[in-house]
Amino acid sequence: SYELTQPPSVSVSPGQTARITCSGHKLGDRDTSWYQQRPGQSPVLVIYQDSKRPSGIPERFSGSNSGNTATLTISGTQAMDEADYYCQAWDISSAYVFGPGTKVTVL
Amino acid sequence: QVTLRESGPALVKPTQTLTLTCTFSGFSLGSSGMSVSWIRQPPGKALEWLAVIDWEDDEQYSTSLRTRLTISKDTSKNQVVLTMANMDPVDTATYYCARTRGGKTVSAWYFDSWGQGMLVTVSS
Repeated sequence: SYELTQPPSVSVSPGQTARITCSGHKLGDRDTSWYQQRPGQSPVLVIYQDSKRPSGIPERFSGSNSGNTATLTISGTQAMDEADYYCQAWDISSAYVFGPGTKVTVL
Repeated sequence: QVTLRESGPALVKPTQTLTLTCTFSGFSLGSSGMSVSWIRQPPGKALEWLAVIDWEDDEQYSTSLRTRLTISKDTSKNQVVLTMANMDPVDTATYYCARTRGGKTVSAWYFDSWGQGMLVTVSS
């Protein structure tokens, strides 16, 4: 089965840049999406197909994907960005796979 | 405006079959490119994708849960139903339905609108 790996946590100061990685075999050859989940809320799509941003998602969210690693970047991080972030990709053997999630803390 | 809402029992006993209904508005499963997925999240744990049904009635299932899951749709009622057989306490989770989009290539699909989720507890 296909697996995605994420760091358990990332800490960032307000106004700084947070980078969250997601690793998987040949992940750069797959479309990757990212979801934000604030405590007690449903997930929200923030990036799809590696780097596309849905309407309503702030420009400070961006994505990239190459080799074995996809990265979600939050520029000018705000307190409201504190949440869990999940990456997701598709594999022929596992269908839709989510990463274990990364907790972003804004200190 | 796209909305989705999950409904079903909040408590089921071990070995029972769970039936969840997703009622949605703002889009049609009869439209090309539209699909609905079920995704669950045990308390304090990560998201786990379960199943998807698309506008052509094609279905995909989680490899590990395939034998226990059935997904179906009623396009006229804007509903998608998931059944999960032989429930166990480890199946205790919040169950979400989500609109799934991304064109004709399944590998590019993503979940762009989610329901509020429904906590299902499995206990005797």
